[in-house]
Amino acid sequence: NAGVTQTPKFQVLKTGQSMTLQCAQDMNHEYMSWYRQDPGMGLRLIHYSVGAGITDQGEVPNGYNVSRSTTEDFPLRLLSAAPSQTSVYFCASSSRTSGRAGGELFFGEGSRLTVL
Amino acid sequence: ILNVEQSPQSLHVQEGDSTNFTCSFPSSNFYALHWYRWETAKSPEALFVMTLNGDEKKKGRISATLNTKEGYSYLYIKGSQPEDSATYLCAFEDSGGGADGLTFGKGTHLIIQP
Repeated sequence: NAGVTQTPKFQVLKTGQSMTLQCAQDMNHEYMSWYRQDPGMGLRLIHYSVGAGITDQGEVPNGYNVSRSTTEDFPLRLLSAAPSQTSVYFCASSSRTSGRAGGELFFGEGSRLTVL
Repeated sequence: ILNVEQSPQSLHVQEGDSTNFTCSFPSSNFYALHWYRWETAKSPEALFVMTLNGDEKKKGRISATLNTKEGYSYLYIKGSQPEDSATYLCAFEDSGGGADGLTFGKGTHLIIQP
């Protein structure tokens, strides 16, 4: 079973470049989210979506865009990469209703991004 | 930003010993408390999602308790094995209707020494 699939696993960017991290899930989950993991920090929420066509900001949304045109896909776009965006990014999905989780998060394998 | 604290930050335990660690979270607007296990080079995997005060959950040698009134949860590992080495994350889910409602602690890094 595929679960949550993220691509690419590794990426090196130069400051100012843009890129998209892809996330897809095959569990028919309404809820999808993006987190970043930095040394000494917990997982911090960037953006989330409670269903197709609905997105909202998390704790650290600046410099990132998301869209949710289908239930399966939730891409994360870096508009103009900065060294502060060097991090490991995780996509996660969950079964949820009416914007409440309750259900466990299923994580992708992570994408390690380095911005020079 | 909600305060979710985990202690200790890291822990070395001898193989065969039992251990436990703590997650503390706000005692108001509680909805759920999640525990995840995160092995190096892998992605976090859910252990438990706990919703009721007094909840106790068990999966093999790992168990967890929940006290929502005082805002803490304990994770216990009985008879530690090398494969238990991982970072254990807790996440607080609030009922306040804010963004996502899931705030992670920084984790407890557990190392089991043979």
